[in-house]
Amino acid sequence: GAGVSQSPSNKVTEKGKDVELRCDPISGHTALYWYRQSLGQGLEFLIYFQGNSAPDKSGLPSDRFSAERTGGSVSTLTIQRTQQEDSAVYLCASSSWTSAPKNIQYFGAGTRLSVL
Amino acid sequence: AQSVTQLDSQVPVFEEAPVELRCNYSSSVSVYLFWYVQYPNQGLQLLLKYLSGSTLVESINGFEAEFNKSQTSFHLRKPSVHISDTAEYFCAVSEGIKAAGNKLTFGGGTRVLVKP
Repeated sequence: GAGVSQSPSNKVTEKGKDVELRCDPISGHTALYWYRQSLGQGLEFLIYFQGNSAPDKSGLPSDRFSAERTGGSVSTLTIQRTQQEDSAVYLCASSSWTSAPKNIQYFGAGTRLSVL
Repeated sequence: AQSVTQLDSQVPVFEEAPVELRCNYSSSVSVYLFWYVQYPNQGLQLLLKYLSGSTLVESINGFEAEFNKSQTSFHLRKPSVHISDTAEYFCAVSEGIKAAGNKLTFGGGTRVLVKP
């Protein structure tokens, strides 16, 4: 597609349920990033993929959070046993690796997660 | 580790007046600097970037930012704002090291409200 696509755009879930957030990067972009935007913490890095591997997972807040990427394209961020503090906008970005580290990140519109 | 400070969380400004958004960063290594803009209910859009070369960078819609290494600052300015500039603006840095994956560290954001 023309840009980074994220789905769903909004997700409301009950505390304790698992959720999956999807990111479809720009075609050909090998690097993919997840960030979280919340009122209390601002914009935080979660995890970075280069191809299908994740060299940097340092931002994942707990072991309830995991992410995978398959085929060097689509990525899924999974949150298990959701808590109210997980409520946030989850942003995905992708970039080309051809001119790293100057590659520019392009962001999707985000998934707004609300945990009741 | 890097950090980014945006000193103003909100900046009200009248239409056609100038605006300056302040950004300071700290890092032990060389960095690349970015300003992103987020319009309501949208993802982040790159406004401008400093990678190397001239310390004054400009965007197509009249914004400019100047990299000041000695003061570790990257302030954003616009000489005359429009109503359509109402948005939240984020300053971000990434390490100039390929192995770092180019993940972004963001400031807390500055909300600009342009009044008629």
